Amino acid sequence: DIQMTQTPSSMPASLGERVTISCRASQGISNYLNWYQQKPDGTIKPLIYYTSNLQSGVPSRFSGSGSGTDYSLTISSLEPEDFAMYYCQQYDGSPYTFGTGTKLELK
Amino acid sequence: QVQLKESGPGLVQPSQTLSLTCTVSGLSLTSNSVSWIRQPPGKGLEWMGVIWNNGGTDYNSAIKSRLSISRDTSKSQVFLKMNSLQTEDTAMYFCVTLKLGSYFDYWGQGVMVTVSS
Repeated sequence: DIQMTQTPSSMPASLGERVTISCRASQGISNYLNWYQQKPDGTIKPLIYYTSNLQSGVPSRFSGSGSGTDYSLTISSLEPEDFAMYYCQQYDGSPYTFGTGTKLELK
Repeated sequence: QVQLKESGPGLVQPSQTLSLTCTVSGLSLTSNSVSWIRQPPGKGLEWMGVIWNNGGTDYNSAIKSRLSISRDTSKSQVFLKMNSLQTEDTAMYFCVTLKLGSYFDYWGQGVMVTVSS
């Protein structure tokens, strides 16, 4: 199975701050990488697919990049609704696997 | 609009079988694939398996021997059955559409299942 490791596991940040979350795969995944947001009430929504494509309705302050084994999610200016858990997910190999998660917290 | 809603027992005894139903509205199961994903309390997400739009299935090898996913297209429902439950199967179970075999786009709210005697 392809292991997905996210860093940091938690990140205190302030409103308006620019933050970057990293995701590393145990082997190259050819940009087959998605990002999801999980709110404190448990609801999950997709943010980015195929490394850098924004899901419809997702604000443009979210962006994704990366290649090979290393990927990142950047939020350019934090809004109150962005404080949540974030997960990456690969679909290069079966089973689909998710990252270890990053909790974005208000500083 | 697209909605997925999971239902099933909140409590299952160890060694018993879990049966969950996902009722889908706003899209056709013959055109869309549906996965089950679970999340133990305070932990990350685990993909369990998928029923493809053509009715074929694929499972996570870690639980393949215990898991079955099926559907009733006339009722727009997807079913999960998993046997030999243990306490480590305690989790929130989500049904989710899988778009183009690549990303999970529509998520249900999830159903919490506790395995305990």
